[in-house]
Amino acid sequence: NAGVTQTPKFRVLKTGQSMTLLCAQDMNHEYMYWYRQDPGMGLRLIHYSVGEGTTAKGEVPDGYNVSRLKKQNFLLGLESAAPSQTSVYFCASREAGTDPSGNTIYFGEGSWLTVV
Amino acid sequence: AQTVTQSQPEMSVQEAETVTLSCTYDTSENNYYLFWYKQPPSRQMILVIRQEAYKQQNATENRFSVNFQKAAKSFSLKISDSQLGDTAMYFCAFTSGYSTLTFGKGTMLLVSP
Repeated sequence: NAGVTQTPKFRVLKTGQSMTLLCAQDMNHEYMYWYRQDPGMGLRLIHYSVGEGTTAKGEVPDGYNVSRLKKQNFLLGLESAAPSQTSVYFCASREAGTDPSGNTIYFGEGSWLTVV
Repeated sequence: AQTVTQSQPEMSVQEAETVTLSCTYDTSENNYYLFWYKQPPSRQMILVIRQEAYKQQNATENRFSVNFQKAAKSFSLKISDSQLGDTAMYFCAFTSGYSTLTFGKGTMLLVSP
């Protein structure tokens, strides 16, 4: 059981370049999330999705776009990377249900992105 | 909007001793869940313990227990018999209904021999 898989694990970008982070989950979860983790800031929500074809902004959405064309995949895009986007990115997913807040959230292993 | 506050950026404890990590939160919801996550140097996010707000009894998982004070909006984590493997960043988190998971800024715990 792979759970939540993020690709790539590591990437170095030059300022202005674009890239896409892929998150894939094999648990048939409705909800998927993208967080970024920076020193002293905890995990902050970038974008999330409550189902295939839907996306919503989180706390820090600027400079990022997302797509959820397939239920199992949630893509995070950086159109023009900036040094401020250097961070560790985590994808997560969980089941829906009548009270999704009680369901376990599963995290990927993180993707280290450096923008120079 | 919900907020989660961890006021201790760093803490240290000696092996076999007990340590308590603090967390406070702010919400107008009546039914919600609180979590403690552990993040070791590998950066993997590991669920340590979960508390449902409508349950009076404090959650316990082996050496980990919480002190949940709903009226005070406080959710502290007690680690008993600390082990070297407990060295990690610990995050307190909150969620309710269909909302997303909101994290505190974390407490770095160092367990020394």
